[in-house]
Amino acid sequence: EPEVTQTPSHQVTQMGQEVILRCVPISNHLYFYWYRQILGQKVEFLVSFYNNEISEKSEIFDDQFSVERPDGSNFTLKIRSTKLEDSAMYFCALGQGANEQYFGPGTRLTVT
Amino acid sequence: QKEVEQDPGPLSVPEGAIVSLNCTYSNSAFQYFMWYRQYSRKGPELLMYTYSSGNKEDGRFTAQVDKSSKYISLFIRDSQPSDSATYLCAMRSGSYQLTFGKGTKLSVIP
Repeated sequence: EPEVTQTPSHQVTQMGQEVILRCVPISNHLYFYWYRQILGQKVEFLVSFYNNEISEKSEIFDDQFSVERPDGSNFTLKIRSTKLEDSAMYFCALGQGANEQYFGPGTRLTVT
Repeated sequence: QKEVEQDPGPLSVPEGAIVSLNCTYSNSAFQYFMWYRQYSRKGPELLMYTYSSGNKEDGRFTAQVDKSSKYISLFIRDSQPSDSATYLCAMRSGSYQLTFGKGTKLSVIP
């Protein structure tokens, strides 16, 4: 099972601010994903990323969201102007295929 | 109708019991089925995945899929207190995205 770390573990930000969440895979992987889980609700898909481009995104992943691998290693999720409803756990997942998606420990985002 | 339905529990069983966790789904396009375990405030941990009807076994865990009934199950044999967690079913069609159930919270009492 691949290892992945996420930073920060907890991010508190004010509404309207930009946040960048980071995912650091320990080894090479082909597929990267971001999911989120609002407290008490289901885990929801945001975006998948393969070969340095977005392969699929959900309706949640609007123009306020973006992803990139700036240095070929870290995988980042940026939220340009945070809203209260963006408060959630954000999970990075990665793997060699779509059936084996291994999740990181998550970043708790709190928007005040 | 929700795409994936999962009884939230909580489910409480004595140590050593056989646990049965279930999900139903409405989208017949779902072809691949996964079970994840999530401890409190942690990321989901992949337990098993399968893509065909029938059973798949891995240690104390057995995943069962019945595509005709749109019903999947996870059985845990000889349950241990360390199995106490929330169990999430997830599934996908040909796309990358996983659609999750809401999870069943399991407590195994020593």
